[in-house]
Amino acid sequence: KAGVTQTPRYLIKTRGQQVTLSCSPISGHRSVSWYQQTPGQGLQFLFEYFSETQRNKGNFPGRFSGRQFSNSRSEMNVSTLELGDSALYLCASSLTPPTGGYTFGSGTRLTVV
Amino acid sequence: AQSVTQLGSHVSVSEGALVLLRCNYSSSVPPYLFWYVQYPNQGLQLLLKYTTGATLVKGINGFEAEFKKSETSFHLTKPSAHMSDAAEYFCAVSEGQGGSEKLVFGKGTKLTVNP
Repeated sequence: KAGVTQTPRYLIKTRGQQVTLSCSPISGHRSVSWYQQTPGQGLQFLFEYFSETQRNKGNFPGRFSGRQFSNSRSEMNVSTLELGDSALYLCASSLTPPTGGYTFGSGTRLTVV
Repeated sequence: AQSVTQLGSHVSVSEGALVLLRCNYSSSVPPYLFWYVQYPNQGLQLLLKYTTGATLVKGINGFEAEFKKSETSFHLTKPSAHMSDAAEYFCAVSEGQGGSEKLVFGKGTKLTVNP
């Protein structure tokens, strides 16, 4: 079966711009989570969506937002980009509860210049 | 809040040697535990998981891990390292209940395999 698909793979944006990242989960998975990975902070949880509702949110500023559509696809948006937002953004999908584990996409590498 | 500690940010072994990557977690309830591997410029691939049942868990690529509740540990082992095992490994615990969970990751251990 198809895995988790994230688009685009790479992005270069300028400070102050906004960006939207997309994630298509595994068919049948209704939970989608987003993580930020940086060398300094490691892997940090951003938010989790289930049935179009945000169920959980990490400790990130309000510039980071997301949504989930009725087909479980999810997008995350970062507004007013800062240099520190440069990171690998990973999306994961799972059943709930996650007894089968979380399946991650290949990520979107965002570079802010 | 739960936390995960991976002892050793870098581990180096010779090809054919035992691989041991250490992971300790803090949790007040029985956790779900995971090991993931990440190759350069890739996402995370699930190696193995512990949810309930048998405490010795076997995963892909010859890896296994043992859940030890008394030691709050979930160390990852492989009897014989292969060059292709060189990657970064992350231990994670699932935090939360009632259908809303998130993963809390350790800082990762970079494994180098020497010929």
